Amino acid sequence: QQQVKQSPQSLIVQKGGISIINCAYENTAFDYFPWYQQFPGKGPALLIAIRPDVSEKKEGRFTISFNKSAKQFSLHIMDSQPGDSATYFCAASDGNNRKLIWGLGTSLAVNP
Amino acid sequence: GAVVSQHPSWVICKSGTSVKIECRSLDFQATTMFWYRQFPKQSLMLMATSNEGSKATYEQGVEKDKFLINHASLTLSTLTVTSAHPEDSSFYICSAGRTGGNQPQHFGDGTRLSIL
Repeated sequence: QQQVKQSPQSLIVQKGGISIINCAYENTAFDYFPWYQQFPGKGPALLIAIRPDVSEKKEGRFTISFNKSAKQFSLHIMDSQPGDSATYFCAASDGNNRKLIWGLGTSLAVNP
Repeated sequence: GAVVSQHPSWVICKSGTSVKIECRSLDFQATTMFWYRQFPKQSLMLMATSNEGSKATYEQGVEKDKFLINHASLTLSTLTVTSAHPEDSSFYICSAGRTGGNQPQHFGDGTRLSIL
């Protein structure tokens, strides 16, 4: 049973466009929602994270939108660049456990 | 920043040998580290939680005698794949976070293990 559902599985965006990746969770005890970026042959790198007390967080071109009632959160990449082409993972955890529950990942390709 | 170093980055060895992978937190102390396995084009699969000074907690289905974890200090955890076989070939990644609350997890760059 997958506790964090991520979509789409793959995404192709033109340079300068907006990339949107969505995640939904089931466990209401989750209180920490990070997004990771992974390039081939490398470990995941933390992009941005949010907690349920805010509905949006922005860092540069990356924005997380969070909807607590719908149990959904999404990553928006503004002005997408070819260098953003990577696999993106959403995850969730609760404060007591610290174990991250992962989405299945989204492969993003940004065409020049 | 929070840097996690993993070594080696790539190892090829013969079937039946044991392989040790090191995970170090370079600029912070970590009472807990996590070990993952990742197959091509798949998500990360948590293998075990490594706890400093105590036994690791393994996820269901992970053989603790096969994947030995030692977390002897606040900056070092090791994963030893014992008597490795071709089916153990995979990408192994560790992560660590600063102690306390919901600190972000930072990842090493992974170890590509190939068993011939």
